[in-house]
Amino acid sequence: NAGVTQTPKFQVLKTGQSMTLQCAQDMNHEYMSWYRQDPGMGLRLIHYSVGAGITDQGEVPNGYNVSRSTTEDFPLRLLSAAPSQTSVYFCASGTVSSYNEQFFGPGTRLTVL
Amino acid sequence: RKEVEQDPGPFNVPEGATVAFNCTYSNSASQSFFWYRQDCRKEPKLLMSVYSSGNEDGRFTAQLNRASQYISLLIRDSKLSDSATYLCVVNGKGSSASKIIFGSGTRLSIRP
Repeated sequence: NAGVTQTPKFQVLKTGQSMTLQCAQDMNHEYMSWYRQDPGMGLRLIHYSVGAGITDQGEVPNGYNVSRSTTEDFPLRLLSAAPSQTSVYFCASGTVSSYNEQFFGPGTRLTVL
Repeated sequence: RKEVEQDPGPFNVPEGATVAFNCTYSNSASQSFFWYRQDCRKEPKLLMSVYSSGNEDGRFTAQLNRASQYISLLIRDSKLSDSATYLCVVNGKGSSASKIIFGSGTRLSIRP
């Protein structure tokens, strides 16, 4: 099993550009989520999904869109990148029944100039 | 007020010392509690779940105090390899169960 994979590992964008961060898991987990991590801020929940076709907002959803068309994939879209979105983005997955353990991908380091 | 709050540290303690962290949460309906560990520039990984009765895993002990709405992590006989950031994690009840919130983390540095 590859676990949770994220692409790209690094990305530099200009203000106003759009892009999609990819996340995939091969553990058949219903639950998937996106977090951003900034220095001193810990991980902040952006969006999450409890199954295909179901998504919901987390703590900091503005400027981001998600969709969940399959169990495996949960892409995060930045509609119009801003310098405030410079961060490390982590995708995670887990089971819905207990939410006991979230498995994280290696992260995407995004810089917006 | 943040939903989950932790002392950011850093805690700088000698090898072999005992160190404890606390984490407070604001949602009294929260049902599940965890501690994660994150090494520098790596993804977080589950350290242990926190149960109402308290639980122990080797040198690590986790406690939950529902009345005061805090959880704690105690590390005994600390090792150099324990140096990391420790993240407190809480999720809600019922319809909020799927909203998993992380604290900002407590940095621990163990010196020889």
